[in-house]
Parts: sequence; structure tokens; C-alpha cells
Amino acid sequence: DVKVTQSSRYLVKRTGEKVFLECVQDMDHENMFWYRQDPGLGLRLIYFSYDVKMKEKGDIPEGYSVSREKKERFSLILESASTNQTSMYLCASSSPGSSTDTQYFGPGTRLTVL
Amino acid sequence: RKEVEQDPGPFNVPEGATVAFNCTYSNSASQSFFWYRQDCRKEPKLLMSVYSSGNEDGRFTAQLNRASQYISLLIRDSKLSDSATYLCVVKSYNFNKFYFGSGTKLNVKP
Repeated sequence: DVKVTQSSRYLVKRTGEKVFLECVQDMDHENMFWYRQDPGLGLRLIYFSYDVKMKEKGDIPEGYSVSREKKERFSLILESASTNQTSMYLCASSSPGSSTDTQYFGPGTRLTVL
Repeated sequence: RKEVEQDPGPFNVPEGATVAFNCTYSNSASQSFFWYRQDCRKEPKLLMSVYSSGNEDGRFTAQLNRASQYISLLIRDSKLSDSATYLCVVKSYNFNKFYFGSGTKLNVKP
């Protein structure tokens, strides 16, 4: 079974703090993704990475950065957290060459910025 | 225009009912199609892939119409445990990006 883990289930931070969200997958997947999910808006792609040290902006990258130093780990960084970044953050991984060719999600981090 | 559009629902149906969800996508070059299920406050999980010829998995049937850019999910003999939000997902040809619909909420009542 594919396992994607995220460092925290719940996180409360203050405006202006630097926030790190970590994601680790154990299936040697090439691609990793960060989404945020908000009511009525669905999942929106923040950043994705298709290889170590490679990253691509998604649909809403502003206010975020990412780091992929190792294949299994993909970090999302909020340089200066703001209240409009309160959301559920979901990490996912996929392997483009696999037979199922789909994404596997971590359990999510519910971030509240006060 | 959103890449993937779904009726948000909610669909409130009695146990045993048959219910159908529809989804449209805007990019004709889309490559792969999926239905995911998401329970309240949990992560999305793959329910089934959708193939051009249509496919069935137990009580669930998925259909794809490339000409109309339309995907459907049919659930027969609904169970209480089917209550969840169903997400339509389309994978683009470029960069392996996945596009998610906002989800359709299903409530199955006793």
C-alpha cells in the first residue's frame, strides 16, 4: 500500500510566522503535489514537483514556496503566514509510469492562521 | 471557466436508490479520468478510474464520453456508507497535472 504522511494533522500559527509543512511518501514516486482545499472551491494546486530539486508552479503559488531535496520528501513553506492561508493542505504523490497512474493523498494538515 | 465542473448537490437519497453524478471537463486533450471519494475531514481516495469503454466495479459504474467531454458515475443500491463527497478528476496531457472538480455531496438516508 502506498503511504503518504504529513508532519501535522492540525497546526495553529500567528500572522507573519514562517510555516513548514512536510510530506513524505514511501513508494518511490517521481511526482509530488501540494494542494489546498477550501469549501466551495475544491482542491487547488499550489506547487508540484516531478523530480528532485525540480518544481513547477500550480494555479495559486503566491505566498508559498516548496523544497524537494530528496525524492521521498516534498515541503511546503509559507514564508509569512496570513489569515487567508487558513485552509486544509493536502499532499499527494503519483508515478506517471505506473499502471494506475493516479494520485495518492496524505491525511491533510488543517492550518489555522490567527 | 473551471477545468472540471460538477453539480455540488447535495443529493439526498434513500437506501437502495440509484443515483448518478455528472461531470464535464473543458480540455479536450485530457488524458485520464477518475472518480475519488472524500469522507468528511479526510483525504480524497481513489474510487475508480474511468475508461473510454466504460467500466464497472460492483455497484459503481463509470462512463466517459470524450466527444461531449462528459464523465458520469452511477451508484446502484445505495448504502448508508456511500455517504461522502465524490470528486471528478481529470489528468492533463502536460506535466501530469490533475484537475479536481469541487465535488458532489451524497447523503444516503435510512
